Amino acid sequence: GESVGLHLPTLSVQEGDNSIINCAYSNSASDYFIWYKQESGKGPQFIIDIRSNMDKRQGQRVTVLLNKTVKHLSLQIAATQPGDSAVYFCAESSSNSGYALNFGKGTSLLVTP
Amino acid sequence: GAVVSQHPSWVICKSGTSVKIECRSLDFQATTMFWYRQFPKQSLMLMATSNEGSKATYEQGVEKDKFLINHASLTLSTLTVTSAHPEDSSFYICSAGRQGASTDTQYFGPGTRLTVL
Repeated sequence: GESVGLHLPTLSVQEGDNSIINCAYSNSASDYFIWYKQESGKGPQFIIDIRSNMDKRQGQRVTVLLNKTVKHLSLQIAATQPGDSAVYFCAESSSNSGYALNFGKGTSLLVTP
Repeated sequence: GAVVSQHPSWVICKSGTSVKIECRSLDFQATTMFWYRQFPKQSLMLMATSNEGSKATYEQGVEKDKFLINHASLTLSTLTVTSAHPEDSSFYICSAGRQGASTDTQYFGPGTRLTVL
């Protein structure tokens, strides 16, 4: 079936550096993409989203880039802080699926002082 | 706004018993609620989608007679794990879609940790 996957399972960065987390998806019908942050033992926390009619969206310290040609999504975190340490998931949905979310495997981000 | 709660936050039960997990949207009405299961160090897997007042739609491989879902009101959905066994031990997370908004906006609960002995 269609899948959403991440390139790197773990990412270690130094505090203050920028982080980039990547995600590939395979469903060409996907039209809505979201990045979530999940801390241990907690539910996913919304970070930022983007629709398929856009290729870039910026939030506070975060930017999501969407490349529909190669079905690739990335999350950029500027000036990474220790509080950013968590597992990050990309998720996609489409109107075809009734907007049920399909989650990627997750990337563990570790920020070292 | 858009807060979703779950109760209990964790539960330990004996094998063969049934466990009910509640998911509530506290400050909005949820037309649609979703139930996910997450095993350690794995991603969230959608179990079922429930719409208020109608039967839930289960994903392939999820037993509807084992995981009973009731969405009786616009603010409450329940998941009952019937005759739980150790392999049902997992982190169960619900999300809610806000009525009036596009259903692709989902708000997640904090999750319920189920341990079956």
